[in-house]
Amino acid sequence: AQKVTQAQTEISVVEKEDVTLDCVYETRDTTYYLFWYKQPPSGELVFLIRRNSFDEQNEISGRYSWNFQKSTSSFNFTITASQVVDSAVYFCALIFTGGGNKLTFGTGTQLKVEL
Amino acid sequence: DTEVTQTPKHLVMGMTNKKSLKCEQHMGHRAMYWYKQKAKKPPELMFVYSYEKLSINESVPSRFSPECPNSSLLNLHLHALQPEDSALYLCASSQGPSFTDTQYFGPGTRLTVL
Repeated sequence: AQKVTQAQTEISVVEKEDVTLDCVYETRDTTYYLFWYKQPPSGELVFLIRRNSFDEQNEISGRYSWNFQKSTSSFNFTITASQVVDSAVYFCALIFTGGGNKLTFGTGTQLKVEL
Repeated sequence: DTEVTQTPKHLVMGMTNKKSLKCEQHMGHRAMYWYKQKAKKPPELMFVYSYEKLSINESVPSRFSPECPNSSLLNLHLHALQPEDSALYLCASSQGPSFTDTQYFGPGTRLTVL
């Protein structure tokens, strides 16, 4: 069975702190994609990154970075120097060969960045 | 440009009403999706259209009726809904129906059923 676990329900940080959001996944497929989406209070799910199972290179985009480790089935997301605008719910998601187009989402992590 | 638009933003309806949600994309995407999201939960897939044909129905009650009039438009017709159907309804699209294609989401319609 496919599963995505985001154990952190809610995280609160003060602006400029670094914060890491954890994502652990389970799948028997060898070919799969992992995603991170951001959902601000307005409701829209904003795509942040996609990573396929054969590419374990870490990625950095501005203040955002992602660490993909197949050995621990984790795909963690770090925000450096957090800002109030980063406050949102962040979802990690998995899609795999045998699952059609169906995204399997984690339960989400609510990030609150305060001044 | 990865824009999916949805109308209306908010909708309040009674249990006997008939209403429709609309989703539009002009990215040339050939797969479109409806998701339902309850408060503090992740989105749940409802329907998938692939090349304008319904390819996945996640056992959604018949009071929800999807329609894909053309490759850019996706509608969700609502009839005889229940209060527990109140939720955020998200539309998404992807370049193709393959699992390798990223799904891009619209801003959603917040539906309240009285």
